[in-house]
Amino acid sequence: SYELTQPPSVSVSPGQTARITCSGYALTNQNSYWFQQKSGQAPVLVIYRDNERPSGIPERFSGSNSGTTVTLTINGVQAEDEADYYCQTADSTALSYIFGGGTKLTVL
Amino acid sequence: EVQLLDSGGDSVQTGGSLRLSCAASGFSFQIYYMAWVRQAPGRGLEWVSSISGTGLGTSYADSVKGRFTISRDNSKNILYLQMNSLRGDDSALYYCVKDGVAGMVEYIRHWGRGTRVTVSS
Repeated sequence: SYELTQPPSVSVSPGQTARITCSGYALTNQNSYWFQQKSGQAPVLVIYRDNERPSGIPERFSGSNSGTTVTLTINGVQAEDEADYYCQTADSTALSYIFGGGTKLTVL
Repeated sequence: EVQLLDSGGDSVQTGGSLRLSCAASGFSFQIYYMAWVRQAPGRGLEWVSSISGTGLGTSYADSVKGRFTISRDNSKNILYLQMNSLRGDDSALYYCVKDGVAGMVEYIRHWGRGTRVTVSS
């Protein structure tokens, strides 16, 4: 089965830039998606189709895709951004969703 | 407004059964793939099963294949997950989810609040 690899943790100070990567063969020619999950809450979509932001998501969130690696970038990190972040793509043949293992973002 | 109200979670013994339900509203239920995603305590997200809008197409993670059955009632806008032969590693928060693109498995746009399943011996 396909896997997506994320770093377990990323730490940044407020106002800095956080970059979270997600890599795997499953991303080849597929769109990527990013979710933010705060403690005790359901995940929330923050980036869709590699680099689009849903309404209500701050402009400091952005995404990029370079083939088999995608990156979520948070510019000017704020304390409220502390959460777990998951990347996701789909296997349209298997009709399944593929998730990365998640990255815990800590705001120092 | 899209709403997914998942329910049915409970504490059961190893080998037991449960049926989860998800009442959907605020969208054309019958044209979207629906799925279940679970999250064990302190762990990441794991896709469990998907079902097409008509209910004729289904898929399962290897970890639940042969034990879980996904289904839907488009007349009532309800998604189900029948879970049999439950094991300890099935313990998790189970989320009902809706895809963001009609007729496709592409990405999860909406999530329920989750329903807790605990399996113990």
